[in-house]
Amino acid sequence: GESVGLHLPTLSVQEGDNSIINCAYSNSASDYFIWYKQESGKGPQFIIDIRSNMDKRQGQRVTVLLNKTVKHLSLQIAATQPGDSAVYFCAEFNDYKLSFGAGTTVTVRA
Amino acid sequence: DAGITQSPRHKVTETGTPVTLRCHQTENHRYMYWYRQDPGHGLRLIHYSYGVKDTDKGEVSDGYSVSRSKTEDFLLTLESATSSQTSVYFCAISGVAGSANEQYFGPGTRLTVT
Repeated sequence: GESVGLHLPTLSVQEGDNSIINCAYSNSASDYFIWYKQESGKGPQFIIDIRSNMDKRQGQRVTVLLNKTVKHLSLQIAATQPGDSAVYFCAEFNDYKLSFGAGTTVTVRA
Repeated sequence: DAGITQSPRHKVTETGTPVTLRCHQTENHRYMYWYRQDPGHGLRLIHYSYGVKDTDKGEVSDGYSVSRSKTEDFLLTLESATSSQTSVYFCAISGVAGSANEQYFGPGTRLTVT
């Protein structure tokens, strides 16, 4: 079965608000946890990753939080824009391989 | 799409026929991967390669084979296509030093088996 999963399959967000996408994982031995964004008709696009020995990492408008105690990963998107509408996947990286969760579809309301 | 092309982009084939999908990269990356994506699922790894002629199975490898005779090309073959192999197939690459965890994906191939 899948070792990485997302809490909610869909998320609707008002433009300009912050988005939080959650993910639970089960493999404590994973080296990295990664977020991907997939727009309709395209391949997944790397957003940000976090090494297993870190708690937080920030990128441009995105922040990833890792809580190893409860095996939880989240992606925060600041000031959500229409271009952020997509499916977001969390993935865990082990031995040069990725295991993906099922994805959360984010819809941004104007 | 990070110098990755997939061909064909769309294919319709009949049950029982062989099908080969091609992934081509211009980045000289060591690792190449084939995934399938189905509704309600994330991407699932079929096979991967860690060098020329070096390949290994992923979690859903049954019914698929791969070959890598050159760094830039990774072929996925369905020996005898079945309807359960109708899916979107993505190729990915990684292997830049210090960022092996970053995989870059191609545009995908939509395969329909009738």
